[in-house]
Amino acid sequence: AQSVTQLGSHVSVSEGALVLLRCNYSSSVPPYLFWYVQYPNQGLQLLLKYTTGATLVKGINGFEAEFKKSETSFHLTKPSAHMSDAAEYFCAVSPKLTGGGNKLTFGTGTQLKVEL
Amino acid sequence: KAGVTQTPRYLIKTRGQQVTLSCSPISGHRSVSWYQQTPGQGLQFLFEYFSETQRNKGNFPGRFSGRQFSNSRSEMNVSTLELGDSALYLCASSPDGGGYTFGSGTRLTVV
Repeated sequence: AQSVTQLGSHVSVSEGALVLLRCNYSSSVPPYLFWYVQYPNQGLQLLLKYTTGATLVKGINGFEAEFKKSETSFHLTKPSAHMSDAAEYFCAVSPKLTGGGNKLTFGTGTQLKVEL
Repeated sequence: KAGVTQTPRYLIKTRGQQVTLSCSPISGHRSVSWYQQTPGQGLQFLFEYFSETQRNKGNFPGRFSGRQFSNSRSEMNVSTLELGDSALYLCASSPDGGGYTFGSGTRLTVV
């Protein structure tokens, strides 16, 4: 079974500082990897995904993540935090299913707070 | 391009009742998945439908069921509601797997 661990349920950064949200996964084979963001009372918005190819993935709003197979990690970064980045972030994995489709397993989420 | 539409946004039901939630995917998307989000259990996969067939299933009891229509719209049904079923139910659509686009969810409260 696959699992996802997000280190730090709450992360606080200053506006303009580096954002680093950690995600480690457990899987017998490299899965598909995703980062989603959730704003209050809203659904999930896809930030970026890794399926195959280049291990450094660029997403929306200046976020990027690097797939490191040897470390089973997929950490999310943004060089300079903005107040609008304050939200909850979820890392997710999905196996490469024989029949197709996805079955996302989510981490427990990291609440990002951005301070002035 | 319209996003994923879930109706209703909020719902209050009594224990023992049943409920049906609706999801209209993005036009052209054939895959629809459902997730349950609770403070205690987080986000959990319920099931996925593709071309009117259930393709993948999570570990939920049989009280949770779903279906997909020929226009890709999907419904999920929960019978014999329990207090623990109170949650945000999220629907997501995709052309066929890959990154999903989520709706804003239906918040179900069971009293």
